[in-house]
Amino acid sequence: NAGVTQTPKFQVLKTGQSMTLQCAQDMNHEYMSWYRQDPGMGLRLIHYSVGAGITDQGEVPNGYNVSRSTTEDFPLRLLSAAPSQTSVYFCASSRQMDDRPYEQYFGPGTRLTVT
Amino acid sequence: KNQVEQSPQSLIILEGKNCTLQCNYTVSPFSNLRWYKQDTGRGPVSLTIMTFSENTKSNGRYTATLDADTKQSSLHITASQLSDSASYICVVRSVGNGGSQGNLIFGKGTKLSVKP
Repeated sequence: NAGVTQTPKFQVLKTGQSMTLQCAQDMNHEYMSWYRQDPGMGLRLIHYSVGAGITDQGEVPNGYNVSRSTTEDFPLRLLSAAPSQTSVYFCASSRQMDDRPYEQYFGPGTRLTVT
Repeated sequence: KNQVEQSPQSLIILEGKNCTLQCNYTVSPFSNLRWYKQDTGRGPVSLTIMTFSENTKSNGRYTATLDADTKQSSLHITASQLSDSASYICVVRSVGNGGSQGNLIFGKGTKLSVKP
């Protein structure tokens, strides 16, 4: 198993540009999520999905879109990049969101700089 | 407000020494608590997951404790190695609607440096 993969690893954007961060997992996990990690702060949830066709907002969703057309893929779209979106983005997946403490697996991250 | 506070913010120890990292939380209702290790430039990797009924859990040289009454957890690292240099993140999951899992609440992490 490759686990959770993310592309690209690094990206530089100009203000106003759009792009898609890719995330894929091969563990047949229902739950997938996107986080951003900023210096001096804990990881913050952007969007999450509990299965194909179902997405919901997390703590900091503004400026980001997601879709989940397949179980494996969960892309994150930046609609119009802003310097405030400079961050490291992590994708994560786990089994169902129920009352059992399922393990959550993180991807290697995408480091995004917006100038 | 649900919060997870970690201390110290950073720590430097010599190789071979032990250390203990602290985590206090105000998350309620509580479901489970996790410790993650995050190497520089990489994603977090799970060390332990502890539910309400578990007081201690070990993973090799890592031992986590949980006191659900005082809402405190600690991560003890024994006989530290250079490869233990990383950030250690405490994460608490609340109980969501209808008894399902709530979202994860992350601490800011403790940055551990192990020196030779």
